[in-house]
Amino acid sequence: AQKVTQAQTEISVVEKEDVTLDCVYETRDTTYYLFWYKQPPSGELVFLIRRNSFDEQNEISGRYSWNFQKSTSSFNFTITASQVVDSAVYFCALSTGTASKLTFGTGTRLQVTL
Amino acid sequence: DAGVIQSPRHEVTEMGQEVTLRCKPISGHDYLFWYRQTMMRGLELLIYFNNNVPIDDSGMPEDRFSAKMPNASFSTLKIQPSEPRDSAVYFCASTASGKGYEQYFGPGTRLTVT
Repeated sequence: AQKVTQAQTEISVVEKEDVTLDCVYETRDTTYYLFWYKQPPSGELVFLIRRNSFDEQNEISGRYSWNFQKSTSSFNFTITASQVVDSAVYFCALSTGTASKLTFGTGTRLQVTL
Repeated sequence: DAGVIQSPRHEVTEMGQEVTLRCKPISGHDYLFWYRQTMMRGLELLIYFNNNVPIDDSGMPEDRFSAKMPNASFSTLKIQPSEPRDSAVYFCASTASGKGYEQYFGPGTRLTVT
């Protein structure tokens, strides 16, 4: 069975601070995919990134970066120089095989204030 | 390109009534997923289709729920009869085989059953 744990329920930071959202996953499959989605206050789910289990390279996209470590079964997400517009709930998710269901974590609510 | 389209965006109905939620996936996507989001259970998969065929409906809560995909561009999720505990946001998502399998979500339908 798959499981995704986001231990941080809520994080509050002041604008321009860096913040890291933690994600720990469990699966027995050797092929799997990890995702991050953003859910802003408007409610839609926005895809941010996908990583497959064979690619442990870290990725950077603007102020966003992701650290994938198979040794600790973690896929952490860092926002550098946070902005108020980053305020949202962020979900980490896992799927195994090819196109299959996403198992979501419980989400981390990020509040960025001025 | 148009994203996943869902209708209605909001639905308020009385207990016992039939509710039909609609989804139009992104053109060319061959997988379609229905998810439900509640405070208590988070985001959970209800059912998904591949090439219009249901693949996994193990998440459908009970016989009151049914889903169909009569063609590649349309799917419905029906609840009959509806109950207050069905109140949730229902998301539809789609993805394409051979394109990374990241799922793109519609804006969701907020269902309230009174």
